[in-house]
Amino acid sequence: AQTVTQSQPEMSVQEAETVTLSCTYDTSESDYYLFWYKQPPSRQMILVIRQEAYKQQNATENRFSVNFQKAAKSFSLKISDSQLGDAAMYFCASHTSGAGSYQLTFGKGTKLSVIP
Amino acid sequence: DTGVSQDPRHKITKRGQNVTFRCDPISEHNRLYWYRQTLGQGPEFLTYFQNEAQLEKSRLLSDRFSAERPKGSFSTLEIQRTEQGDSAMYLCASSPGTSGMHEQYFGPGTRLTVT
Repeated sequence: AQTVTQSQPEMSVQEAETVTLSCTYDTSESDYYLFWYKQPPSRQMILVIRQEAYKQQNATENRFSVNFQKAAKSFSLKISDSQLGDAAMYFCASHTSGAGSYQLTFGKGTKLSVIP
Repeated sequence: DTGVSQDPRHKITKRGQNVTFRCDPISEHNRLYWYRQTLGQGPEFLTYFQNEAQLEKSRLLSDRFSAERPKGSFSTLEIQRTEQGDSAMYLCASSPGTSGMHEQYFGPGTRLTVT
């Protein structure tokens, strides 16, 4: 079974500053994928960034980047130049490719506030 | 290009009633998933379809829950004899099913309130 832990229920950041959201996971599989999803208030969940476990290079998507530490089972999200529109719940999620299981396992989320 | 759509967006029902939700995935996505999200929690997996076949079900999916995807396109999730504990956001997601493409695209959800 997989578990995903987000230890920061809430975070805040000043507009234009950088913030890092933490996530740790546990899996016995060797082939797995990690994701960060954003859920704005009353709006649907959207994918922010993904990381394949077999890739050593950290994924980046514009202002969003990850710090993937495979040995430590850590997968943090860094948001640079924070904008007001970044305010949302952020969920870390994982799934494995083994045994034909495609379900995502989510953490409990981190609520990010952006201060103007 | 339309995303995943869900209907209705909100549903209020009395305890003991049956409810049915619909999900239309992104066209040509052959994988479809249902999740449940309660307040302050991340989504929890309920069930998964590949085309019309229901391949995986969570232990959360009690006997009162049933899901179908009759023609491999839209899906329905029915809850019979609703209970107050069923109050939650029900999310649908789809993915292409192509090897290596593992992102799931989510719909806006159906918020169920059982009174």
